[in-house]
Amino acid sequence: AQSVTQLGSHVSVSEGALVLLRCNYSSSVPPYLFWYVQYPNQGLQLLLKYTSAATLVKGINGFEAEFKKSETSFHLTKPSAHMSDAAEYFCAVSAYSGNTPLVFGKGTRLSVIA
Amino acid sequence: GAGVSQSPSNKVTEKGKDVELRCDPISGHTALYWYRQSLGQGLEFLIYFQGNSAPDKSGLPSDRFSAERTGGSVSTLTIQRTQQEDSAVYLCASTRDRGYEKLFFGSGTQLSVL
Repeated sequence: AQSVTQLGSHVSVSEGALVLLRCNYSSSVPPYLFWYVQYPNQGLQLLLKYTSAATLVKGINGFEAEFKKSETSFHLTKPSAHMSDAAEYFCAVSAYSGNTPLVFGKGTRLSVIA
Repeated sequence: GAGVSQSPSNKVTEKGKDVELRCDPISGHTALYWYRQSLGQGLEFLIYFQGNSAPDKSGLPSDRFSAERTGGSVSTLTIQRTQQEDSAVYLCASTRDRGYEKLFFGSGTQLSVL
């Protein structure tokens, strides 16, 4: 079985500061890892994904995440937070078996303070 | 249609009644998911349909929950004898390929059980 743990249900940063959202995964097979974002009153959308190619993955809106197998982590970062980054962020894990559901973490709400 | 369509967008029901939630995935998408989103609980996986394979029902919380997908397209999630703890947003998502290039989410059905 696969699972993800997102550390911190709420993270608050100042505008212009580094954003770091933590995600640790558990998987018995090589994982595929994802970050999804949900802006207020909107549906979820894919931010970025890791599928066993480059360990540093770049996504939309300046976000990136690094797959670290030794730490079983896939933390999401952005060098400089913008007010528009305020949203709920979800880490998710799967395995490319053709019949494996995508399992999400509980989410981290990011607040950006002016 | 252009996106994943869910109906109704809001449903208020009385405890003990049955409800049906509908999902129209994007045409051609072989994989379809149902998730439940509750405050502070993130996205809880419910059930997964992939092509003609038997659905993965491992996430259904009780035998009051069931889902079907007719003709590989429209899916209906049924909750029998609803309880107050069933109140949540029920999200449907579909994707074209097994690599999860993008999981497209519907806007969800907000279910309130009184």
